[in-house]
Amino acid sequence: DAGVTQSPTHLIKTRGQQVTLRCSPKSGHDTVSWYQQALGQGPQFIFQYYEEEERQRGNFPDRFSGHQFPNYSSELNVNALLLGDSALYLCASNWKGDLYNEQFFGPGTRLTVL
Amino acid sequence: QQPVQSPQAVILREGEDAVINCSSSKALYSVHWYRQKHGEAPVFLMILLKGGEQKGHEKISASFNEKKQQSSLYLTASQLSYSGTYFCGTEGCQKLVFGQGTRLTINP
Repeated sequence: DAGVTQSPTHLIKTRGQQVTLRCSPKSGHDTVSWYQQALGQGPQFIFQYYEEEERQRGNFPDRFSGHQFPNYSSELNVNALLLGDSALYLCASNWKGDLYNEQFFGPGTRLTVL
Repeated sequence: QQPVQSPQAVILREGEDAVINCSSSKALYSVHWYRQKHGEAPVFLMILLKGGEQKGHEKISASFNEKKQQSSLYLTASQLSYSGTYFCGTEGCQKLVFGQGTRLTINP
């Protein structure tokens, strides 16, 4: 049973560029949430996708956008990258966004903005 | 609003006990606990729900005081494998808000 997978593992970009991160949820899950984790901090909620729509959003600017595909996989896009966007980006999946059961996290994508 | 965890860091010898606290300024409906080892994904430990229900995988105990808006994670007879950063998450508007983490180091 495959867990949550993310790609790429690491990414280096320069300021102003755009980046796309990818996530495949655990088998049987239909909801994907994205988190940003700065060094030494807890994960911060970016947004959640369910039924191919953004259902919830955290306090992140419109530069952060996403998409969910019919197979439940998801992408996170960040435009006009800033140095402060450097972080570990985590994807988590669960069933119907049910917060009364565990979320499964992927290994993350480490983004470095130079 | 982000929950506050204490202590920020703790160092133990194998076999010792530890308590990690999580408090919120808002009413809590559920508290989630995760552990993250360096360079790895957070791993689910436990959910504590309003009303007393608990769901967890490991032999780790926790408490949830709804009136005080606090939760505590109890790590007894610690093992080397318990090392990592522990995060509590509280539910708000259908999303989880995580604390800043408590770094636990277990020495032999």
